[in-house]
Amino acid sequence: DGGITQSPKYLFRKEGQNVTLSCEQNLNHDAMYWYRQDPGQGLRLIYYSQIVNDFQKGDIAEGYSVSREKKESFPLTVTSAQKNPTAFYLCASSPTTGQISGANVLTFGAGSRLTVL
Amino acid sequence: GDSVTQMEGPVTLSEEAFLTINCTYTATGYPSLFWYVQYPGEGLQLLLKATKADDKGSNKGFEATYRKETTSFHLEKGSVQVSDSAVYFCALYSNYQLIWGAGTKLIIKP
Repeated sequence: DGGITQSPKYLFRKEGQNVTLSCEQNLNHDAMYWYRQDPGQGLRLIYYSQIVNDFQKGDIAEGYSVSREKKESFPLTVTSAQKNPTAFYLCASSPTTGQISGANVLTFGAGSRLTVL
Repeated sequence: GDSVTQMEGPVTLSEEAFLTINCTYTATGYPSLFWYVQYPGEGLQLLLKATKADDKGSNKGFEATYRKETTSFHLEKGSVQVSDSAVYFCALYSNYQLIWGAGTKLIIKP
């Protein structure tokens, strides 16, 4: 079945460490996204990528980095510069970002919960 | 800029009650509108969508109608079940961006 796989589901990090969250999709989608979700809040966009080897900052990119070397993969690194990284991280994909239409629906992974000790 | 406002939760109902979760939006042009649902510990799933005025999206007994005159996309269900307990997000797609509401937590008691 096609979908998005995020790993690990749970991750613990010590202060000062970088960690990388994996996101893989087999939907043949062009666009991929990373969102951060905090309790009682909506989703905030960290980074997005419309095509391989290209990505753009979202609303809260500081302290995060991404790469898009393959169409299927969009890993997110949470760096030590991120001051409050404890959160639930969601990866998503869509066929494209280049069209304004109802077909441009996001498919989400199950999420990764990062806790800083 | 574009924005989405949802009613604050949690919303607590008894099983078989009627549900309404309010969603209003501010946008230029004619955005597409969505409801997503997030079950505990999971990612988000598309529940329903509408792409133009007066469209009605429906799925799993939930409905929402795109009302341009009131800039609203309220989510309704005639008879809720315990399994409907989740967080519901309203969102709009406009100018190549998805804009999210803060989410409304729904708790259904047996």
